[in-house]
Amino acid sequence: DAEITQSPRHKITETGRQVTLACHQTWNHNNMFWYRQDLGHGLRLIHYSYGVHDTNKGEVSDGYSVSRSNTEDLPLTLESAASSQTSVYFCASSESTEPGQHYGYTFGSGTRLTVV
Amino acid sequence: GNSVTQMEGPVTLSEEAFLTINCTYTATGYPSLFWYVQYPGEGLQLLLKATKADDKGSNKGFEATYRKETTSFHLEKGSVQVSDSAVYFCALSLYGNNRLAFGKGNQVVVIP
Repeated sequence: DAEITQSPRHKITETGRQVTLACHQTWNHNNMFWYRQDLGHGLRLIHYSYGVHDTNKGEVSDGYSVSRSNTEDLPLTLESAASSQTSVYFCASSESTEPGQHYGYTFGSGTRLTVV
Repeated sequence: GNSVTQMEGPVTLSEEAFLTINCTYTATGYPSLFWYVQYPGEGLQLLLKATKADDKGSNKGFEATYRKETTSFHLEKGSVQVSDSAVYFCALSLYGNNRLAFGKGNQVVVIP
């Protein structure tokens, strides 16, 4: 069965370290997204990609980067981790659709990151 | 711009009670509308969707009707169970760019 997996599930890191969160999907979806979820803020979009070698900034992209070298993977890198980046991170993917048509996202199970 | 507004605050209710979670939207064009559910410690799962006005999405006893005249997509369930305790997110598709806009979510707690 197709799936979207995130790793690790839990991560503790120190302030200033570089951290990479993995996201791998076998749906063959062109579109992939990274969100962070914080109490009181809901889901906030960090970065997204519409295909290989395409990346775009979301509403809270400062301090984060992504790269898309193949269809399956969109790793999220925190360049220099800060305590404000303690959060739960979700990856999602979706099919490309015609304007006005959308089938929704498939989400991973999340990575809980703690920056100490 | 396109956006989704959900009612403020958590919802606490007793088992077998009627649940309503309000969702209103602002959008250009004709977006698709979605409800997602997040159980504790898990990612979001698609609960139901509707792609055009007057469509009713339904799943697991939950229903929502796409109301263009009131720009709403309220989620309802006639008799909730403890297992329905979760966070519920309303979302809409953003025209032409394959993205979704999410509401802030509502925590639902069902007490036995």
